[in-house]
Amino acid sequence: QKEVEQNSGPLSVPEGAIASLNCTYSDRGSQSFFWYRQYSGKSPELIMSIYSNGDKEDGRFTAQLNKASQYVSLLIRDSQPSDSATYLCAVKGGYSTLTFGKGTMLLVSP
Amino acid sequence: NAGVTQTPKFRILKIGQSMTLQCTQDMNHNYMYWYRQDPGMGLKLIYYSVGAGITDKGEVPNGYNVSRSTTEDFPLRLELAAPSQTSVYFCASSFTGGTGENYGYTFGSGTRLTVV
Repeated sequence: QKEVEQNSGPLSVPEGAIASLNCTYSDRGSQSFFWYRQYSGKSPELIMSIYSNGDKEDGRFTAQLNKASQYVSLLIRDSQPSDSATYLCAVKGGYSTLTFGKGTMLLVSP
Repeated sequence: NAGVTQTPKFRILKIGQSMTLQCTQDMNHNYMYWYRQDPGMGLKLIYYSVGAGITDKGEVPNGYNVSRSTTEDFPLRLELAAPSQTSVYFCASSFTGGTGENYGYTFGSGTRLTVV
């Protein structure tokens, strides 16, 4: 049984700060990782995917992967109140099924 | 381009009733999935399909059934509804290439189901 662990939060940061969201996974053979953002009452939307060790940047978002430590993180630079949401980490399994963590709630205060 | 369309958006069922949650995608995605999300919990996989006529169980399939007669449609059937099936249900689709590359899911807007 694959497991994906996230701190449920809430993680509170002031506007303009860097928010750091973390995720660990149990299956050492996992190769593909995804971050989704979910606003309250809405469906998840894909923010980033990462497949190789290291950093991947897309605008204000940076995903970091360390397969040796089984650790994935998402950094959000210049956080905005509109970034307030729950962030879900997901790990790809067979047939492209995703195992999701419970999510970390991020609150960005003006 | 509608993406993934789910109906209904809300439904209240009585214990023992049955219903079908509809899911349609217009992106020609080969893979489709059903997840449920309980408050404070992550999404749990119910069933998935890798193509028309091919379905398989996920982590929490009990009490549910699916079919996939076309690429576009992937309905989820609840038989004999129980309070434990109160949840938000999300349908999703994705395209997976011949070498296994996958670029993430597109989710529908969800169905909020209450069983009383």
